[in-house]
Amino acid sequence: EDQVTQSPEALRLQEGESSSLNCSYTVSGLRGLFWYRQDPGKGPEFLFTLYSAGEEKEKERLKATLTKKESFLHITAPKPEDSATYLCAVLLSGAGNTPLVFGKGTRLSVIA
Amino acid sequence: DSGVTQTPKHLITATGQRVTLRCSPRSGDLSVYWYQQSLDQGLQFLIQYYNGEERAKGNILERFSAQQFPDLHSELNLSSLELGDSALYFCASSVQGYTEAFFGQGTRLTVV
Repeated sequence: EDQVTQSPEALRLQEGESSSLNCSYTVSGLRGLFWYRQDPGKGPEFLFTLYSAGEEKEKERLKATLTKKESFLHITAPKPEDSATYLCAVLLSGAGNTPLVFGKGTRLSVIA
Repeated sequence: DSGVTQTPKHLITATGQRVTLRCSPRSGDLSVYWYQQSLDQGLQFLIQYYNGEERAKGNILERFSAQQFPDLHSELNLSSLELGDSALYFCASSVQGYTEAFFGQGTRLTVV
């Protein structure tokens, strides 16, 4: 069965303390991997798309990387406004259109 | 603002009732997805439509149904509602079925 596992479940950082979130996947074929940010009670906000191993994307304090088995979301010098749940999702390969399969997320808290 | 519009934002209804949730995708997006997110649960895929046709089905209950209309808006119908159906329901849209999806702000359904 295709699975997406995110770790840790929750992470508490001091402002300025860099860290990484992990998304590992066991799928039969990966078409793409997506990172989202979700604030409480709101819809997920798209951050990055990664399509092939070795690919990297950056946006402000966030950098996403992809290997054949996992993806990392690196957060450099985080600020309190980076507090949110970060979700990763995989798009499976196959005929036609397939839905995104989401992990359960990492709940990030950044303390001033 | 993702460009995906969901109405209503909040819905409170009694057990056994039927409700309809509405989604307008981003301009130009042909694919629409519906997801359910319960408290402390991840995003569970329900169903996907592409240009009016059903393309993929997840763990959608038989009491739930959806459709995508010629103008590409979509509706999710939930009937014989139970307390356990209380959740956030998200709609997302994408240009194709293999590109990043953009989420609406969700409909919070409370069944009492």
